[in-house]
Amino acid sequence: DTGVSQDPRHKITKRGQNVTFRCDPISEHNRLYWYRQTLGQGPEFLTYFQNEAQLEKSRLLSDRFSAERPKGSFSTLEIQRTEQGDSAMYLCASSRMAGYQETQYFGPGTRLLVL
Amino acid sequence: EDQVTQSPEALRLQEGESSSLNCSYTVSGLRGLFWYRQDPGKGPEFLFTLYSAGEEKEKERLKATLTKKESFLHITAPKPEDSATYLCAVQTDTGANSKLTFGKGITLSVRP
Repeated sequence: DTGVSQDPRHKITKRGQNVTFRCDPISEHNRLYWYRQTLGQGPEFLTYFQNEAQLEKSRLLSDRFSAERPKGSFSTLEIQRTEQGDSAMYLCASSRMAGYQETQYFGPGTRLLVL
Repeated sequence: EDQVTQSPEALRLQEGESSSLNCSYTVSGLRGLFWYRQDPGKGPEFLFTLYSAGEEKEKERLKATLTKKESFLHITAPKPEDSATYLCAVQTDTGANSKLTFGKGITLSVRP
């Protein structure tokens, strides 16, 4: 088990371009979360999947953001028409419920810089 | 709205100088309190989960404790490799979404 993986690790793009990030969760984890982290802040929740169903989206997730998790495996996060304010670290986490307990394990993140 | 406040924002210690990091929280119903370690440019690494007041957990030089209003991460005789940002997060008992609400983190520097 290699943990949560994310690709790419770094992305530099120009304002107005579209970008897509991928997250591969720990195998057999049915829950997947996306968070965004800016400098000096803790991660902020963006959206959450249970299997292939997207169950909640934060108000931080504008219409330019879309996430998918086809077949309940890997997930993609797409940002359309990027803005400089989208520059941040995008983190993916996965988990599996064990009774009442659930621990989220994070990937290494994708650092996005919008010029 | 759930709130997590960590203090101090930054802490500089001499190697071997023990100290504590504080995490105070306000939530509607606590399901769990989590501590993560984050190195620069990397994702958070899970350390501990605490579920009820009075609970304590230890791992090497780290010990986490929980009360009804706050949690402490005690670092005993720290080493330079303990230098990192320590994040506290709460998971609330509302609905199916188990999202984490994080504090801003505490940046710890340990000088040799």
